[in-house]
Amino acid sequence: IQLTQSPSFLSASVADRVTITCRASQGISSYLAWYQQKPGKAPKLLIYSASTLQSGVPSRFSGSGSGTEFTLTISSLQPEDFATYYCQQLNTYPLTFGGGTKVEIK
Amino acid sequence: QVQLVQSGAEVTKPGASVKVSCKASGYTFTNYYIHWVRQAPGQGLEWMGIIDPSGGSTTYAQKFQGRVTMTRDTSTSTVYMELSSLRSEDTAVYYCARGATSRFDPWGQGTLVTVSS
Repeated sequence: IQLTQSPSFLSASVADRVTITCRASQGISSYLAWYQQKPGKAPKLLIYSASTLQSGVPSRFSGSGSGTEFTLTISSLQPEDFATYYCQQLNTYPLTFGGGTKVEIK
Repeated sequence: QVQLVQSGAEVTKPGASVKVSCKASGYTFTNYYIHWVRQAPGQGLEWMGIIDPSGGSTTYAQKFQGRVTMTRDTSTSTVYMELSSLRSEDTAVYYCARGATSRFDPWGQGTLVTVSS
């Protein structure tokens, strides 16, 4: 299953609302997770089952969608949110990741 | 706390093999699958396979079939990933991650494997 993230690059300002989209090549129900990765660090889980916020993750992060189209929204971008974000499908082997969305400071 | 700690960086030659370890702590080792994911320099994430620490069963991505072997040692709560016939394109950071329902959490800190003659 291929996952297509858009945009691949996003330039935004602190306090902006940001939305990242992930499209699956076939239906994956709600078996989708979102991760944040900062340079030189391992990915960190933000959202799983498409819309469940991982414990300890700020509530400005939210996820939605099912089937083939999913979104990650950051309601008010904070300085620590500048990073690369990946979606992942856990419906079918081989598990796959989207190509990533790099969020940079405008 | 739940933690996965990986072995240190490796430099190896084309054609050789590398074995990376991932030691789990803070939870019952046999209750959760472990996945391996790699990330080439400046690239995205690539799933390699999964091992069930309870029985040792594995599933590998087709791309790595025949070159990757995942094993576990329940006495030390450690999972191993061995990749053989290395080539320069295998230069990457290799991560282990605990698999729970619909998510990978946590991840190990990563192990840089450099393949160079």
